[in-house]
Amino acid sequence: ETGVTQTPRHLVMGMTNKKSLKCEQHLGHNAMYWYKQSAKKPLELMFVYNFKEQTENNSVPSRFSPECPNSSHLFLHLHTLQPEDSALYLCASSKGRDSLTNEKLFFGSGTQLSVL
Amino acid sequence: QKEVEQNSGPLSVPEGAIASLNCTYSDRGSQSFFWYRQYSGKSPELIMFIYSNGDKEDGRFTAQLNKASQYVSLLIRDSQPSDSATYLCAVIRGSASKIIFGSGTRLSIRP
Repeated sequence: ETGVTQTPRHLVMGMTNKKSLKCEQHLGHNAMYWYKQSAKKPLELMFVYNFKEQTENNSVPSRFSPECPNSSHLFLHLHTLQPEDSALYLCASSKGRDSLTNEKLFFGSGTQLSVL
Repeated sequence: QKEVEQNSGPLSVPEGAIASLNCTYSDRGSQSFFWYRQYSGKSPELIMFIYSNGDKEDGRFTAQLNKASQYVSLLIRDSQPSDSATYLCAVIRGSASKIIFGSGTRLSIRP
């Protein structure tokens, strides 16, 4: 398998559930990202990991908890979400380095999340 | 003021014509500029990047950057129906190496 894969593709959860999104990249990259895409809004950067260290937390509520056990895997743990959290969650990777300037992103197919 | 601004469209262009997509950004220290294409129901894919003032050509695509005017554009020559998609402008701010996306411009190529 190549590129960036995300599972599940679709997820429906209640506000009291706990679930996790998974992302795996097979590109040999060292930086991984979580983005949120809502209708009519720009892609919102949530978290960045560069060489397994979190380098960006874009004021994301604590009900979203990222985990990056190694450079190939990234998780987003979800708990007590709100209906407004319903969106497409996209994982991306890039080569990664001291500075993330000039980084080209490779996206996974995304997880379409619905919170009831 | 939004950090990266794009006209949401839809922009309708006849097949074979030149499609011109525009993007402005607010941070004068921005260093790197990207265009991603996103088909409906799919994830974004990188199609062009530009770092220096001027034009950069790749096949039917030309990216243009004017840092003095804080303006970046994408030209698509000989537009094809398969070019119909949303085009996202992305900018990396110099201060934090943070990638910021615009809302995207929806392009429709009519046969």
